Amino acid sequence: EVQLVESGGGLVQPGGSLTLSCVASGFTFSRYWMHWVRQAPGKGLVWVSHINGDGYNTNYADSVKGRFSISRDNAKNTLYLQLNSLRAEDTAVYYCSRDLIHWGQGTLVTVSS
Amino acid sequence: DIQMTQSPSSLSASVGDRVTITCRASQGIRDDLGWYQQKAGKAPRRLIYGASSLQSGVPSRFSGSGYGTEFTLTISSLQPEDFATYYCLQHNTSPLTFGGGTKVEI
Repeated sequence: EVQLVESGGGLVQPGGSLTLSCVASGFTFSRYWMHWVRQAPGKGLVWVSHINGDGYNTNYADSVKGRFSISRDNAKNTLYLQLNSLRAEDTAVYYCSRDLIHWGQGTLVTVSS
Repeated sequence: DIQMTQSPSSLSASVGDRVTITCRASQGIRDDLGWYQQKAGKAPRRLIYGASSLQSGVPSRFSGSGYGTEFTLTISSLQPEDFATYYCLQHNTSPLTFGGGTKVEI
């Protein structure tokens, strides 16, 4: 069974940084593209970033380009999202996803002073 | 970036009704489109992939159609458990983009 478990969310001040993690199990992690998708409170889904299996191909939404960085450690079956220069509008539940088919439960990031 | 315009933003329907939701892409995306259902407090669930293929385990009352720039999700006979918000997602070109969502109220 595919399982994705996010962690690392929390309260951070504007301008601060945070690293989200997503531990994967139940499949061969290195074979799959992985994604981060976010959802602000009461708002719609927004795709944030994705990374290919070997970690050398990444893409970002315009709203996070230059501030967020996606990476993966295939030995640890773990996906990461480094969030820098955080803004209030980055407040959201962040989901990791395999193939945009399997999803984690999400982790909440709140940016506020 | 490809913009996905989804309509309507909300609708109210009765059990047994036929419901249609539309997504329009700002440029052609072939059939690189999926439809998702999201219930409150839950992660999204993919219903349709490749614009018209039914995801395994999804009831056959859900169907998708379209190619290029115009896409449709149809629920043939609305059930109480279909109360949710529905999103389209294009994966033809990065950045991937979701439609704005359609909230279906029973």
